Amino acid sequence: GESVGLHLPTLSVQEGDNSIINCAYSNSASDYFIWYKQESGKGPQFIIDIRSNMDKRQGQRVTVLLNKTVKHLSLQIAATQPGDSAVYFCAENKGDYKLSFGAGTTVTVRA
Amino acid sequence: DVKVTQSSRYLVKRTGEKVFLECVQDMDHENMFWYRQDPGLGLRLIYFSYDVKMKEKGDIPEGYSVSREKKERFSLILESASTNQTSMYLCASSSQTDTQYFGPGTRLTVL
Repeated sequence: GESVGLHLPTLSVQEGDNSIINCAYSNSASDYFIWYKQESGKGPQFIIDIRSNMDKRQGQRVTVLLNKTVKHLSLQIAATQPGDSAVYFCAENKGDYKLSFGAGTTVTVRA
Repeated sequence: DVKVTQSSRYLVKRTGEKVFLECVQDMDHENMFWYRQDPGLGLRLIYFSYDVKMKEKGDIPEGYSVSREKKERFSLILESASTNQTSMYLCASSSQTDTQYFGPGTRLTVL
């Protein structure tokens, strides 16, 4: 079946370094992708989204890159801070306003 | 800001009990969703609703039902709770876009 997946379940990053979280998707018809951040004990929080007519989108300290050729999505976090420690999910639209989620990458920031 | 609230953060029930999980959103969103989240499995869609009194099965509807009598409220019902329904339950809502906004989650334990 078609699904969204993340390359690595965990990522350890030194405070101040840049983080890159990867996601592979298999549905070439997907035209919308979202990154969510989930802190311990909380619900997922919207970070940034991108539509398939774009290759790159920037937010505050975050950048999402979309490579449709290899069906790959990444989230880059600049100057990672302790507050960035969380689980990060990518999601793709399935149609009819439904989303398909990856299993998540746990990011741990080392002081 | 979008606000999605869930009636309980933590809930402990016994096998066989009927369980109600309530979700309320204050943004007049048409679409509402119930997910469960389990380690290593990501978010899985249980049920969703496009409008009042409308409901559609998601990927794992077995053992669950839902009710949407008012636009702002979407209830998840476990008719007879079982231990394999111990999980984190997340409610989300969206307007006529694909971006879903999540509540804080209810961690349900069935003994």
